[in-house]
Amino acid sequence: LAKTTQPISMDSYEGQEVNITCSHNNIATNDYITWYQQFPSQGPRFIIQGYKTKVTNEVASLFIPADRKSSTLSLPRVSLSDTAVYYCLVGRYGNNRLAFGKGNQVVVIP
Amino acid sequence: SQTIHQWPATLVQPVGSPLSLECTVEGTSNPNLYWYRQAAGRGLQLLFYSVGIGQISSEVPQNLSASRPQDRQFILSSKKLLLSDSGFYLCAETGPGNTIYFGEGSWLTVV
Repeated sequence: LAKTTQPISMDSYEGQEVNITCSHNNIATNDYITWYQQFPSQGPRFIIQGYKTKVTNEVASLFIPADRKSSTLSLPRVSLSDTAVYYCLVGRYGNNRLAFGKGNQVVVIP
Repeated sequence: SQTIHQWPATLVQPVGSPLSLECTVEGTSNPNLYWYRQAAGRGLQLLFYSVGIGQISSEVPQNLSASRPQDRQFILSSKKLLLSDSGFYLCAETGPGNTIYFGEGSWLTVV
């Protein structure tokens, strides 16, 4: 499992777009990048997964540059309810050892 | 979709007492199962994972153990709890695309 590095915390104002970064310099060819969101006293939940370029779903977009050594999760027009810890995981399908990093605490301010 | 049941939801135990947290999952057979712990204000720590009945991989040496007596059952145990065992324990399984699905968690307070 490739090691990931994320900022510890960040603040954003309600209604703004938030971009959350993750570094994964030793990503392997077969690795995918997956992002999770965790609210207090709950388990993390899946947000989005991608391999390269850009992936978009109903809640977020994931941008992955050509070298794949980093990724950016973009949340459009955040609300107070988006305050959570965001984790990125990097690993290949079939990898059984799924270990999370420390995550990025995002606080949305009114 | 994955459904994961954990119990008990909340537990207060004295130091030195035993522990048993149970997790059962519904859905696909032979799932990969996981136990994570999250101390207050900290990240998720992978404790154990299992790829099949009786197959347990331990990530961190500690006084906890895990067992998988049935395909969809995963148990976390301790013979003697320490204060440092307090935390939020999460059972999880992997779904399509190696995405992880979590149970609702069990809060353990060791006093």
